[in-house]
Amino acid sequence: EAQVTQNPRYLITVTGKKLTVTCSQNMNHEYMSWYRQDPGLGLRQIYYSMNVEVTDKGDVPEGYKVSRKEKRNFPLILESPSPNQTSLYFCASSPISGKSPLHFGNGTRLTVT
Amino acid sequence: AQSVTQPDIHITVSEGASLELRCNYSYGATPYLFWYVQSPGQGLQLLLKYFSGDTLVQGIKGFEAEFKRSQSSFNLRKPSVHWSDAAEYFCAVVPDQTGANNLFFGTGTRLTVIP
Repeated sequence: EAQVTQNPRYLITVTGKKLTVTCSQNMNHEYMSWYRQDPGLGLRQIYYSMNVEVTDKGDVPEGYKVSRKEKRNFPLILESPSPNQTSLYFCASSPISGKSPLHFGNGTRLTVT
Repeated sequence: AQSVTQPDIHITVSEGASLELRCNYSYGATPYLFWYVQSPGQGLQLLLKYFSGDTLVQGIKGFEAEFKRSQSSFNLRKPSVHWSDAAEYFCAVVPDQTGANNLFFGTGTRLTVIP
């Protein structure tokens, strides 16, 4: 089954403790992206990647890192999480064309205390 | 500033009634336009999309949307709402038709369906 898999689904952590949210897709998509969803703000793009070893900042990249060493994986790294990073995070992927709709994972709800 | 606007934060409709969710964008050229739906605890699912051509597009679950260039709008409609349509709906835009798939979202409209 074609899918985007994020792990974990839920995560509670403390300020400053490094964490990684994994994202994997099995559709051989070139494009992958991370979004955060906050009430009243919709989804805002954090980082995106057009292919292996090609990443770029989205609208809200501060406090996040990503890597794209393999085509299928696009982990989101929070080196020193802070409470304002408490949010619902979505990973998405698609073929490279702007006409291709995004396939979304089921989300990771992160709480930073 | 470039943006996607969904002016209605929350809409309540009765089951069987018609529905229209508004979306306006402020990008220079005609972008690619999408509507996504998010059910509770789920990711986003594509309802429909517009790239060019016929300005009325049909999507899944009985939804349709109409692109109006003069109003920079892409409103979502459904003639008769079902209780299972209760969800959050997002309008989204790829501003640059020559570029890759960088999608910008509106803030969403939450739909409540009452019996």
